[in-house]
Amino acid sequence: GEDVEQSLFLSVREGDSSVINCTYTDSSSTYLYWYKQEPGAGLQLLTYIFSNMDMKQDQRLTVLLNKKDKHLSLRIADTQTGDSAIYFCAETRMDSSYKLIFGSGTRLLVRP
Amino acid sequence: SAVISQKPSRDICQRGTSLTIQCQVDSQVTMMFWYRQQPGQSLTLIATANQGSEATYESGFVIDKFPISRPNLTFSTLTVSNMSPEDSSIYLCSVLQSSTEAFFGQGTRLTVV
Repeated sequence: GEDVEQSLFLSVREGDSSVINCTYTDSSSTYLYWYKQEPGAGLQLLTYIFSNMDMKQDQRLTVLLNKKDKHLSLRIADTQTGDSAIYFCAETRMDSSYKLIFGSGTRLLVRP
Repeated sequence: SAVISQKPSRDICQRGTSLTIQCQVDSQVTMMFWYRQQPGQSLTLIATANQGSEATYESGFVIDKFPISRPNLTFSTLTVSNMSPEDSSIYLCSVLQSSTEAFFGQGTRLTVV
């Protein structure tokens, strides 16, 4: 199947860590992405990970990949009010299409 | 990263008319895509824009409704034809760079009345 699933909503307090989770079904996924969408804006590529990696860190962002369980997570350290947005995970496969298959998006609300 | 410009950023159109959306990239890219984001929903791929040949459409999308052009490696257009209120969505252009990084334009917010 092509399903990519995310929880719909997450609320955290400013300064705490946020963890956004994603599950996918296709074991042939090659790259997995995290995008951020602020109200009225397009998608901003935050980070991506190749499927043979377990972890990738980029400043406040940490991506963890459990390929056995097909589980991807995005951890945002020291969450700020500017991090409030919708976060999409997406996968692509090493076939000729290179198309992205998106999850439903997780709305992150950061409370002051 | 590739810089993608989409025009128009938003429009309100009458049903039955057509709108052409332009996507300009600041560098040559191999692959360009058009996605649709319906209100409150995730993104769905409409088609892959192929340079010099017909676009490759996903299931549920047809060329008569969403004709696409791609005359060169930096430019593409998507036309939404014979619009109805159900076509009200955000339409996003995307490009693939270095076979790994997929970037998006700011989108075109379309409202059909």
